[in-house]
Amino acid sequence: EPEVTQTPSHQVTQMGQEVILRCVPISNHLYFYWYRQILGQKVEFLVSFYNNEISEKSEIFDDQFSVERPDGSNFTLKIRSTKLEDSAMYFCASSGIGGIGELFFGEGSRLTVL
Amino acid sequence: AQSVTQPDIHITVSEGASLELRCNYSYGATPYLFWYVQSPGQGLQLLLKYFSGDTLVQGIKGFEAEFKRSQSSFNLRKPSVHWSDAAEYFCAVGDSGGGADGLTFGKGTHLIIQP
Repeated sequence: EPEVTQTPSHQVTQMGQEVILRCVPISNHLYFYWYRQILGQKVEFLVSFYNNEISEKSEIFDDQFSVERPDGSNFTLKIRSTKLEDSAMYFCASSGIGGIGELFFGEGSRLTVL
Repeated sequence: AQSVTQPDIHITVSEGASLELRCNYSYGATPYLFWYVQSPGQGLQLLLKYFSGDTLVQGIKGFEAEFKRSQSSFNLRKPSVHWSDAAEYFCAVGDSGGGADGLTFGKGTHLIIQP
């Protein structure tokens, strides 16, 4: 069964460092998303991506964040200068039909900022 | 702005007993509604979804949910829970106008199964 894969599963970084989280969405999907879940809190929408550009982004997705689909298969989330409050589980998701069909989520990348 | 409320942070149910997890939403138009389950160390898996039509929807793993527009609710039910159902359950609402906005999730309900 096709699935969304994310790497790394866990990354520890120092405050101020750049982090890149990688995702391989399901191959024939068209919409891509990043969500985050701070420990003990709800899953929050960060950004959606379609046709090689950002479709929507939340207030959380400020200038420190960027997304890219560099090679037609990977979908990356970059945090330029990490802050303590960026510590969270980051989920990648993809969807194939108009975006509002079922979202398939990866298992998440846990980011710990020290 | 759309929002989702899951009023129960934790629920404890005995194995074999019935289950109902509550979800209320606030949304101006016709919502697209979802329930996702997150097992420890896992990603989010879709249990079921409601777009239109029959207000009682069946999902995987024996779960069902009923959309009640008058109550703005989309409660998840299962007639007999199994120990493997212990997980975090998230209700979510989506924009019927298109997928770009993503989903708005509730805070989740942690389900504990007692033997």
